[in-house]
Amino acid sequence: QSVLTQPPSASGTPGQRVTISCSGNNFNIGNNYIYWYQQFPGTAPKLLIYKNNERPSGVPDRFSGSKSGTSASLAISGLRSEDEADYYCAVWDESLSDIVFGGGTKLTVL
Amino acid sequence: QITLKESGPTLVKSTQTLTLTCSFSGFSLSTNGVAVAWIRQPPGKALEWLALIYWDDDKRYSPSLNTRLTITKETSKSQVVLTMTNMGPADTGTYYCAHSLYRSGSGYFDYWGQGTLVTVSS
Repeated sequence: QSVLTQPPSASGTPGQRVTISCSGNNFNIGNNYIYWYQQFPGTAPKLLIYKNNERPSGVPDRFSGSKSGTSASLAISGLRSEDEADYYCAVWDESLSDIVFGGGTKLTVL
Repeated sequence: QITLKESGPTLVKSTQTLTLTCSFSGFSLSTNGVAVAWIRQPPGKALEWLALIYWDDDKRYSPSLNTRLTITKETSKSQVVLTMTNMGPADTGTYYCAHSLYRSGSGYFDYWGQGTLVTVSS
């Protein structure tokens, strides 16, 4: 059971905007940067968002991150079939002295 | 171009010690601010951070696995080695190494290896 809570699944149709939430507390999300990763089956995760809302070079601007209080969100606009993947949030937890990942959200493009 | 690749046994027995090597290119672990981490993923489950070693040889471990883990670097060989003692079936999974940067904060892993699947038999 992760200290970061993500919905196990999310879905949307092509072109839609979907958001994936990541909920924590003041010891992790509330006081530290959040990171988001995208993972396709059988492959390594890919860094999607860092420091709450920064995109690495090459990540489309359809992907955006935000944080408010002890929760964070990943938004994907103009949803495409190739966005179907698992998404994980990650953050430093001060009380645990641990880098923690959320349980992951499986995104389905209908 | 930064690349990383994990190597090690694919099958270990319970109570044995696992030794994994991360061989990398495109960066040096002697460069200020650079780090390499190990992260694992049991089949069908979430990612779990294990350990991280910095350019200055500072080391961080997951508190839940701290007593079982050792991370070391061989800078001249561009390698990072992770050992995990007392392996059990719950340690079965894919083990990844990843490049990180101190200035980008904890949780930042921008380049990953392909991962290596380790199965622990009881």
